[in-house]
Amino acid sequence: AQSVSQHNHHVILSEAASLELGCNYSYGGTVNLFWYVQYPGQHLQLLLKYFSGDPLVKGIKGFEAEFIKSKFSFNLRKPSVQWSDTAEYFCVPHNQGGKLIFGQGTELSVKP
Amino acid sequence: NAGVTQTPKFRVLKTGQSMTLLCAQDMNHEYMYWYRQDPGMGLRLIHYSVGEGTTAKGEVPDGYNVSRLKKQNFLLGLESAAPSQTSVYFCASSYRTGGPNTEAFFGQGTRLTVV
Repeated sequence: AQSVSQHNHHVILSEAASLELGCNYSYGGTVNLFWYVQYPGQHLQLLLKYFSGDPLVKGIKGFEAEFIKSKFSFNLRKPSVQWSDTAEYFCVPHNQGGKLIFGQGTELSVKP
Repeated sequence: NAGVTQTPKFRVLKTGQSMTLLCAQDMNHEYMYWYRQDPGMGLRLIHYSVGEGTTAKGEVPDGYNVSRLKKQNFLLGLESAAPSQTSVYFCASSYRTGGPNTEAFFGQGTRLTVV
């Protein structure tokens, strides 16, 4: 069975600080990895995704993530966060079969 | 193009009442999902469907039933609401879950309170 672990449940940063949110997944087959974001009071939307090719993927709003197969990791990064990045972030493996598990997510609070 | 639409957006139920939440998507997606979101618990999968006429249990299926009679609609039913079902419910759909172009699209959510 697949599972995902996000190490930090709540991260508090000041504006301009660098961000790295950890994500480790457990799945033996081919897996596509996604990060979704949920801004306060809104629905979830796609931030970025990895399917194949270059393991460093770039998403919206300056976010990027690196797929490291040997470590089963897909950590999310941003060099300099803004107050508007305050949101909840979910790392989600998409595999064949249809069962899409989101998990607890990480709540990011950015202080102005 | 409306994407994923959930109705209603808000609802208050009394314990023991029943209700149905409707999710409609206009993207011709095969897969549809129902989640509940509670503080500190993230999103938990209730039920999902991989095509018209199919349904499957997710992580927290107890107390809920679903139906997918038409490809574009996925209904979530609560037969006898309990206060523990107070939550925000999200519907999502995707073309599939393996391979490219498999992003999940979400509805705006339904805030349900059971008193």
